[in-house]
Amino acid sequence: DAGITQSPRHKVTETGTPVTLRCHQTENHRYMYWYRQDPGHGLRLIHYSYGVKDTDKGEVSDGYSVSRSKTEDFLLTLESATSSQTSVYFCAISDSKGSRTEAFFGQGTRLTVV
Amino acid sequence: AQSVTQPDIHITVSEGASLELRCNYSYGATPYLFWYVQSPGQGLQLLLKYFSGDTLVQGIKGFEAEFKRSQSSFNLRKPSVHWSDAAEYFCAVGAGGFGNEKLTFGTGTRLTIIP
Repeated sequence: DAGITQSPRHKVTETGTPVTLRCHQTENHRYMYWYRQDPGHGLRLIHYSYGVKDTDKGEVSDGYSVSRSKTEDFLLTLESATSSQTSVYFCAISDSKGSRTEAFFGQGTRLTVV
Repeated sequence: AQSVTQPDIHITVSEGASLELRCNYSYGATPYLFWYVQSPGQGLQLLLKYFSGDTLVQGIKGFEAEFKRSQSSFNLRKPSVHWSDAAEYFCAVGAGGFGNEKLTFGTGTRLTIIP
């Protein structure tokens, strides 16, 4: 299995509070992603990173920010959590390594906003 | 913008029967296509991928998929399912650059296996 660790794995938080989810990789992959998974929607891309301090928005980025200060860590922050952000969040990594490859996914973080 | 459609939300098959899960995509360029499987409470595991070349691709766990450009389809098949195949299956199209796998997913198909 690809070395991807998400923390925490479960979190319950109150509306309006800030929340930070962490993704840590040991594969030295260049690209990192945050997706959210919701019933009836599959997985949708929130933000991604193509290098240290290089990030870009995905399909559903409103209400989220990210940071990548080291190759191995990609943080997702909900500045002021809302109930609509209750979801399962997945981190993924990928790299070319000389040929096109695939994305590897972490185990997910289940976030509940009450 | 790219999109993926999985028309079957839920499929039930008997153990030992054949399986086909449908996937249709919309993408302006040559598509890079993937099938992932997700067991309950788990992350996603790659079953197979298509980048170019032979349109019939083999994956893990006895799965295969066929890319049909004329039909914009990438259907997943297995000749004989096992109870352990019960899971949710996601088709995805990759739209990033080399090594950048920004994925657009379908909504998934839940597979139930009956004895």
